[in-house]
Amino acid sequence: ETGVTQSPTHLIKTRGQQVTLRCSSQSGHNTVSWYQQALGQGPQFIFQYYREEENGRGNFPPRFSGLQFPNYSSELNVNALELDDSALYLCASSGKQGNTEAFFGQGTRLTVV
Amino acid sequence: AQSVTQPDIHITVSEGASLELRCNYSYGATPYLFWYVQSPGQGLQLLLKYFSGDTLVQGIKGFEAEFKRSQSSFNLRKPSVHWSDAAEYFCAVGGTGYSTLTFGKGTMLLVSP
Repeated sequence: ETGVTQSPTHLIKTRGQQVTLRCSSQSGHNTVSWYQQALGQGPQFIFQYYREEENGRGNFPPRFSGLQFPNYSSELNVNALELDDSALYLCASSGKQGNTEAFFGQGTRLTVV
Repeated sequence: AQSVTQPDIHITVSEGASLELRCNYSYGATPYLFWYVQSPGQGLQLLLKYFSGDTLVQGIKGFEAEFKRSQSSFNLRKPSVHWSDAAEYFCAVGGTGYSTLTFGKGTMLLVSP
């Protein structure tokens, strides 16, 4: 158990819809990163939030957006869903900016039909 | 740009035999290196990490890895594999300033009786 929890665990959406995924970080951690893991691939960095500000972004379009709240929990929002957005979405929390030891949640499996 | 290569997509090892999973990285500065394990449908569990110091690092579940700067490698080893080690293994590289990770595509370990 890492103390990082994600909800929901599974989700099915229709192409064109919007989705929100949630993550509660480990106690004491103020940095949250989101990753997308397509089937048969390694996780790919989407973006990171540190103290409620976006602190780095991978090669994902603007329809992927996020929020971090004062309690350091976080949301990932994806608009205009495409079939290729089907993946396992992983949230990772870490203790402070620059500390690269990340603890991962169990992920949310998103299926877009 | 940083990158990680895991040359072996699948590896089959007999229970009780030794294991070595290969990882090569590309990174412009001193890397932080990690090995994670993922069971089907689950999140990522940290096995071990290298930040600095001794180039042979010990991890959980009897795993170890050796950092070789000259070869840009960080191979994972275990002297005697157990059936419960069957899973997918990911090597990752990160750096200071951002706790973001670049992952390889993973190696699926199968353990035969």
